Amino acid sequence: GIQVEQSPPDLILQEGANSTLRCNFSDSVNNLQWFHQNPWGQLINLFYIPSGTKQNGRLSATTVATERYSLLYISSSQTTDSGVYFCAVLDSNYQLIWGAGTKLIIKP
Amino acid sequence: DGGITQSPKYLFRKEGQNVTLSCEQNLNHDAMYWYRQDPGQGLRLIYYSQIVNDFQKGDIAEGYSVSREKKESFPLTVTSAQKNPTAFYLCASSTQPKTGELFFGEGSRLTVL
Repeated sequence: GIQVEQSPPDLILQEGANSTLRCNFSDSVNNLQWFHQNPWGQLINLFYIPSGTKQNGRLSATTVATERYSLLYISSSQTTDSGVYFCAVLDSNYQLIWGAGTKLIIKP
Repeated sequence: DGGITQSPKYLFRKEGQNVTLSCEQNLNHDAMYWYRQDPGQGLRLIYYSQIVNDFQKGDIAEGYSVSREKKESFPLTVTSAQKNPTAFYLCASSTQPKTGELFFGEGSRLTVL
């Protein structure tokens, strides 16, 4: 089945820094979604992005489906950005396959 | 407001007792899902339902049961057969299962003593 790898596994930054999180997948996918899980466990949709680029405030995402990767950019990080970022891809059987996540800590 | 409501948020139970977690959505979504998350881990699919009165086992269905009698509701029962039930449980829904765009509830944290 499809393998989804996220990098880096952990990232510690100072407030105000920029960051790039990566999601690689091993086969063609029908779709890709980015989530943020806050320290209380809630999963928030960030982007639903099968291809192309989307932006929402300080966050943006780019998926290059032909090269099997997606990038999540966070600019001017804030402490509230801390948490775990997951990507999930939809395989050919319409099953969501999850990455292991990137744990982001933003220090004040 | 439209959304997915899970209850209870926190639940403590004794070993050997069945527990039912509630998940209700008013988004008019057809598909609903239950995931389990252990500390420091990703999400694993327990059960999913694409339509009322139909549901399918996910990767870790053993020791769990579900029902889908109404479009809005997808309760999960953690039975005494589940070997290690202490976990964080997340319910999700999507407009269509083939789009894969999920929206999540706030989760239920179950601790078995």
